[in-house]
Amino acid sequence: NAGVMQNPRHLVRRRGQEARLRCSPMKGHSHVYWYRQLPEEGLKFMVYLQKENIIDESGMPKERFSAEFPKEGPSILRIQQVVRGDSAAYFCASSRNRDYQYEQYFGPGTRLTVT
Amino acid sequence: AQTVTQSQPEMSVQEAETVTLSCTYDTSESNYYLFWYKQPPSRQMILVIRQEAYKQQNATENRFSVNFQKAAKSFSLKISDSQLGDTAMYFCAFTSNTGNQFYFGTGTSLTVIP
Repeated sequence: NAGVMQNPRHLVRRRGQEARLRCSPMKGHSHVYWYRQLPEEGLKFMVYLQKENIIDESGMPKERFSAEFPKEGPSILRIQQVVRGDSAAYFCASSRNRDYQYEQYFGPGTRLTVT
Repeated sequence: AQTVTQSQPEMSVQEAETVTLSCTYDTSESNYYLFWYKQPPSRQMILVIRQEAYKQQNATENRFSVNFQKAAKSFSLKISDSQLGDTAMYFCAFTSNTGNQFYFGTGTSLTVIP
């Protein structure tokens, strides 16, 4: 029973490039959450999605960041024109549905480094 | 707004001893959940323990137990018989029944000394 999977685990991008982070939820889970962890800080919520729908994006920066969770395939967090301040660990979590949002299972994270 | 505060950035404990990590939170919600997560150097977030606010009994999980003081909005984690593998960052977290997200504290770095 595979847990939440994220890839890549490490991603290096130069300033101005695009970063794509992927998250496959646990089997049977249809809701996905993205969090960002800056150095020396706790995780901060970014966005909450279910398949083909963004439910809450109140934590997403207004520019350059977008997220999707298509009907087929993993959820994608996309960062355009990356800057050094985007360097962080990005975690994905999943839950069965909205009623179980208190049971979020976390993936291993993607460490993004912007050079 | 929900906030979670961990006032101890770093702590250390001798192997086999007991240590308590502190956490306070602020919310106007009546139904919510509190969590302690462990983050070892691998950065994987590992759930240590969960407490449901409507339950008066403190949660326990083997060597880990909590002291949940609802009126004081305090949620401390006690680790008994500390082991070297307990060395990690520990995050306190909160979510409400009506919310969409977890709120995390800034973490406490725990070192178990052999």
